[in-house]
Amino acid sequence: DIVMTQTPLSSPVTLGQPASISCRSSQSLVHSNGDTYLTWIQQRPGQPPRLLIDKISNRFSGVPDRFSGSGAGTDFTLKISRVEAEDVGVYYCVQSTHFPWTFGQGTKVEIK
Amino acid sequence: QVHLVESGGGVVQPGRSLRLSCAVSGFTFNNYPMQWVRLVPGKGLQWVALISNDGTAQYYADSVKGRFSISRDDSENTLFLQINSLRTEDTAIYYCARAAYPYFDYWGQGTPVTVSS
Repeated sequence: DIVMTQTPLSSPVTLGQPASISCRSSQSLVHSNGDTYLTWIQQRPGQPPRLLIDKISNRFSGVPDRFSGSGAGTDFTLKISRVEAEDVGVYYCVQSTHFPWTFGQGTKVEIK
Repeated sequence: QVHLVESGGGVVQPGRSLRLSCAVSGFTFNNYPMQWVRLVPGKGLQWVALISNDGTAQYYADSVKGRFSISRDDSENTLFLQINSLRTEDTAIYYCARAAYPYFDYWGQGTPVTVSS
């Protein structure tokens, strides 16, 4: 199975400052069709998970443009340009290139 | 409007069985593969299982293979997860979600399962 490793596991951030989360996979996530199925999910406290970004960098409908994704192959990054109070929660990367699909351990973003 | 509503969770003893349901509306169910994901306390989200749109293919996480079974009833627009031989480590909130690209786009609110004697 592909192992997804996120760093850091906790990220205290000052409001208005940037945050960055790294996600590394144990194997390349490039599918045979050429696409890379790396997704970022946000889970706010007490809420169901929410899709933020798919295929590395495509923001889902309604996701603010302060969220951006980048990377290729086995190394990926989620960036929040200016953290707002509503961004508090746990962020997960997940790969859907190879079965079984696998999540990272999650990164908790909190306000300093 | 897309809606997914899970049910069937509860407190169960180790070794017992449980069947979770996910009733959907607002989209053409039989066009979509579907999946289950769980939120395990202290551990985060774990992908559990996926079923193809026509029900002919199922995929499972290694940790649940042989004990969990995913199925669907397209006439009732409902997804199921049969969980057998429950273990304490199956304690989690279980979410259903759509599984066609852009995978994970819609989720239910979840149903909690607690395995305890």
